[in-house]
Amino acid sequence: GAVVSQHPSRVICKSGTSVKIECRSLDFQATTMFWYRQFPKKSLMLMATSNEGSKATYEQGVEKDKFLINHASLTLSTLTVTSAHPEDSSFYICSARMVTHSYGYTFGSGTRLTVV
Amino acid sequence: KNEVEQSPQNLTAQEGEFITINCSYSVGISALHWLQQHPGGGIVSLFMLSSGKKKHGRLIATINIQEKHSSLHITASHPRDSAVYICAVRGYGQNFVFGPGTRLSVLP
Repeated sequence: GAVVSQHPSRVICKSGTSVKIECRSLDFQATTMFWYRQFPKKSLMLMATSNEGSKATYEQGVEKDKFLINHASLTLSTLTVTSAHPEDSSFYICSARMVTHSYGYTFGSGTRLTVV
Repeated sequence: KNEVEQSPQNLTAQEGEFITINCSYSVGISALHWLQQHPGGGIVSLFMLSSGKKKHGRLIATINIQEKHSSLHITASHPRDSAVYICAVRGYGQNFVFGPGTRLSVLP
């Protein structure tokens, strides 16, 4: 089945540094990928929609200069958390839309970011 | 905006029990997904439904479009089924709206 690989699964970084999270579709082309954030014991919230070859569309309240999204190829989207602060600590997960007749969606395994 | 509700919020069952988790939403959708999130956080897509019923192993998912309601059933539950089950609906765009999740614990 279609697989999305997300890396790293866990990362701890110091305040003020930047962290890059990768989301890679392994056996299909993903023209659209989605980035979500999950606070403890809360549901997933869409941060942005990433389209290959164009600028990402950010949800209201999400700082695009802080959460940089790049979708340079049909198999890779990256989320970079810039100048990380402890309040950025969260669980980040990507999802990819499969361009098949079923147009299903598959999810990455998530990245737990801790900013100290 | 679509509102997605799930019930129950928490569920504890004994191994072998039949389990039902419910999801209701407020506006029309193009598809509904049931997701499973394990304690480590990773999410697995269990089902995508736009009508009727789907079965995969011990899992069964149904949807009633007119009533805007879906159920996820687990037969012969097992401790490894312990996870958070999330209902996610997709309108006619591409974005998901996620339910709050149902935390299931299956005791041996």
